[in-house]
Amino acid sequence: KQEVTQIPAALSVPEGENLVLNCSFTDSAIYNLQWFRQDPGKGLTSLLLIQSSQREQTSGRLNASLDKSSGRSTLYIAASQPGDSATYLCAVEGAAGNKLTFGGGTRVLVKP
Amino acid sequence: GAGVSQSPSNKVTEKGKDVELRCDPISGHTALYWYRQSLGQGLEFLIYFQGNSAPDKSGLPSDRFSAERTGGSVSTLTIQRTQQEDSAVYLCASSFEGLRQNNEQFFGPGTRLTVL
Repeated sequence: KQEVTQIPAALSVPEGENLVLNCSFTDSAIYNLQWFRQDPGKGLTSLLLIQSSQREQTSGRLNASLDKSSGRSTLYIAASQPGDSATYLCAVEGAAGNKLTFGGGTRVLVKP
Repeated sequence: GAGVSQSPSNKVTEKGKDVELRCDPISGHTALYWYRQSLGQGLEFLIYFQGNSAPDKSGLPSDRFSAERTGGSVSTLTIQRTQQEDSAVYLCASSFEGLRQNNEQFFGPGTRLTVL
């Protein structure tokens, strides 16, 4: 059974610092990995999708890497801003079915 | 264009009552998913619809939960005889689902269900 873990559960940084968020998964037989952002009381906003054959994806200040063989992904957010404060979730779509298995999320606070 | 929409945004009900939650997927998306987000369990898959294929119901927690998708578009999640442990945010997602590797799911704002 696929398990997804995100460490740390919470992170607080001063504005301008780079953020590094970690995600690990137990079964490397995945089709893709998605990173989402969730603001309090809101739904999920898709940030990046990395296909299983890719090593990384970039969008603006965001860069996500994928090492499928070791079961790890890292989301980097450069030059953090207070508006980046949110919960970040990673999820994998595995070979077991067309569904996402989610990690518990990392709650990020960027202090002005 | 419009994203995934869900209604109602909030629902408060009494234990034992039935509730219906609605999801309108992004136009043209063939796949539709329901997930549940609760404090103790995180985000969990409930059910998946793809075109005219039989739905994947493997995540439904009990037979009190059911869902249908009419005309390949709108979906309704029904919870019968609600219990307090059903209190959660119910999230709907849709995707175009071409290649599995590029199956990006887009989520709605969710319905917050509170069972008193």
